[in-house]
Amino acid sequence: DAGVTQSPTHLIKTRGQQVTLRCSPKSGHDTVSWYQQALGQGPQFIFQYYEEEERQRGNFPDRFSGHQFPNYSSELNVNALLLGDSALYLCASRGTSNTEAFFGQGTRLTVV
Amino acid sequence: AQSVTQLGSHVSVSEGALVLLRCNYSSSVPPYLFWYVQYPNQGLQLLLKYTSAATLVKGINGFEAEFKKSETSFHLTKPSAHMSDAAEYFCAVSVSNTDKLIFGTGTRLQVFP
Repeated sequence: DAGVTQSPTHLIKTRGQQVTLRCSPKSGHDTVSWYQQALGQGPQFIFQYYEEEERQRGNFPDRFSGHQFPNYSSELNVNALLLGDSALYLCASRGTSNTEAFFGQGTRLTVV
Repeated sequence: AQSVTQLGSHVSVSEGALVLLRCNYSSSVPPYLFWYVQYPNQGLQLLLKYTSAATLVKGINGFEAEFKKSETSFHLTKPSAHMSDAAEYFCAVSVSNTDKLIFGTGTRLQVFP
């Protein structure tokens, strides 16, 4: 079992560009959540996807959007990148009967 | 609304000494509480969780935490620190098994030989 896998591991983008981050959940998991972790901070909840729909959303602007595919994998899209979007983006998956959220290694996004 | 406060952004201990990382929570409903560990350039790994069962929770790597409702605390302890325990530790709260996690700002643990 590969666990939660995220790609790419590192990414550098220019202010104003758009970025897509990808996440494959742990085998058997159907719920995917995304978190943003700024340097020196705890992770902040962005949104959660279940059955291809956004089920919950944190306090993030509409520039942050997502998608979940039939195979439960997920994408996080960020438009009009700002310098402040530089962070580690973490994906977490869980099963409907599983209380534990498993986290991926994260994607380090740097906006210059 | 829920929140978590971790007292002490940095904690330093000697190898073999007691580890105590503090976490206080605020929740309008009975909370689910978690401790996660993050090693450099890695994601988060669950150490232990409290989900309204026993108040003393034992986790991996010799860590444990005690839920104290009267003190709204969920402090993490380990009797004897090991060099490999050096990492960032996050306390988190949730309203259910499947709801979003709300994290504290983290405590960086340093272990000296």
